[in-house]
Amino acid sequence: AQTVTQSQPEMSVQEAETVTLSCTYDTSESDYYLFWYKQPPSRQMILVIRQEAYKQQNATENRFSVNFQKAAKSFSLKISDSQLGDAAMYFCAYRRGSGTYKYIFGTGTRLKVLA
Amino acid sequence: DARVTQTPRDKVTEMGQEVTMRCQPILGHNTVFWYRQTMMQGLELLAYFRNRAPLDDSGMPKDRFSAEMPDATLATLKIQPSEPRDSAVYFCASGFGQGISSYNEQFFGPGTRLTVL
Repeated sequence: AQTVTQSQPEMSVQEAETVTLSCTYDTSESDYYLFWYKQPPSRQMILVIRQEAYKQQNATENRFSVNFQKAAKSFSLKISDSQLGDAAMYFCAYRRGSGTYKYIFGTGTRLKVLA
Repeated sequence: DARVTQTPRDKVTEMGQEVTMRCQPILGHNTVFWYRQTMMQGLELLAYFRNRAPLDDSGMPKDRFSAEMPDATLATLKIQPSEPRDSAVYFCASGFGQGISSYNEQFFGPGTRLTVL
C-alpha cells in the first residue's frame, strides 16, 4: 500500500527567509502524481503545486518549488521569500497515475512565519 | 469564481441525532470526494463518486454513514446515529476526470466542522 510521510510536525521560518518542508512516500508504481496542499486557519485546502512522476523537471509556482527525487521517493517543498500569509498547515499528497482517483495525504506540517 | 460550497459550516449536535452535510461541487465537475479530518487520523478519504456513481466508499463506516449524489449539483453525507467520535471536519472536494488516468485536480470546499456532544 502507498504511504505518505511528513516527518516534521512543525516548522518555523523568519519572514523573507527560505524554508523546506519534507515529504517521503512509498509506492511500487512508476506512474503517479504528487501534490502539496496548503490549509490556512480558514480551513480551506488550497493546491500549491503538483508534480507528475514522469517529469524530471521540478515543478515551480512563483515562490514555491519542489525537489522531486524519484529514486529516493522524496518530494520536498521549498518556499522562498516567506510571507506571513504562508503560515498554514501543509499537506503532501500522492495519487496513482491510473486505476483510481484516490489521494493519500500525509499528516501535515504546521508552518509558522515569524515577523 | 467557481468554488465548492458546503453547508453547514459548523454543526453542533447531540449523540444519537442524525446529521446531514451538503456539498455543491463546481459546475461541470464529475468527481466528488468526501474526507474527514481529525487531529489523530489526519485526512481520511471516506468516499468518492464519479458521474454520481459511488466508486469507492471503503473508508466509510457503513453502519452509520451514507453518501449520495441525488443530482450532479448536490452531494450529501449523512451520519445516523451520530456519536462523539464522529466529531471532525468533513471536507467535500470536486474535480473533473476525463479518464481514470487523468490528473483530476481536487478543489476543496471550506469544510463542515461537526461536534457531537
